Amino acid sequence: AQTVTQSQPEMSVQEAETVTLSCTYDTSESDYYLFWYKQPPSRQMILVIRQEAYKQQNATENRFSVNFQKAAKSFSLKISDSQLGDAAMYFCAYSGGPGTYKYIFGTGTRLKVLA
Amino acid sequence: NAGVTQTPKFQVLKTGQSMTLQCAQDMNHEYMSWYRQDPGMGLRLIHYSVGAGITDQGEVPNGYNVSRSTTEDFPLRLLSAAPSQTSVYFCASSRHGSGQYFGPGTRLTVT
Repeated sequence: AQTVTQSQPEMSVQEAETVTLSCTYDTSESDYYLFWYKQPPSRQMILVIRQEAYKQQNATENRFSVNFQKAAKSFSLKISDSQLGDAAMYFCAYSGGPGTYKYIFGTGTRLKVLA
Repeated sequence: NAGVTQTPKFQVLKTGQSMTLQCAQDMNHEYMSWYRQDPGMGLRLIHYSVGAGITDQGEVPNGYNVSRSTTEDFPLRLLSAAPSQTSVYFCASSRHGSGQYFGPGTRLTVT
């Protein structure tokens, strides 16, 4: 069975600095998808970034980028130029290959941004 | 395009009452799911559906029923509310590999 592990329950970063959130996963599939979600205090779950396993290139979305290491089964999220609005829970998620729809979420990392 | 909508936003129930949480999406997504999120916790999958007429249990299905008569709607029914069901409930939809799109959530309190 697939698992997703976020080993950092909480992280802090100074405003304008860079922070990296870690995520590891376990799977025997070769074709899958990985995601990072942001959950601010409003509780709305927001899709931040998506990575397809068969693509070598790391996904980026503005100040958010990932470091996808397929062999190491690692999928970290880098937030550059951190802003106060980045303070939230961040969840890593996995979805399997063709014919599978279920998503497996990590336990989340709470990010605090210090002014 | 409204995305995923959920009603109600807030609900208070007494123990033993039943109710239905509504969820609808207008993106023609085949996959829909219900999660609960307890304070300080991650998401736990209650039930999911891969298309109209097809539903299956997640990791915490007891006390909940679902049905999917149309692609758009995926209601969650609480059969006999218990205090342990106090939580925030999220509905989500997706196509395969697209990433799930979440509704705003329903905060349920059972007294």
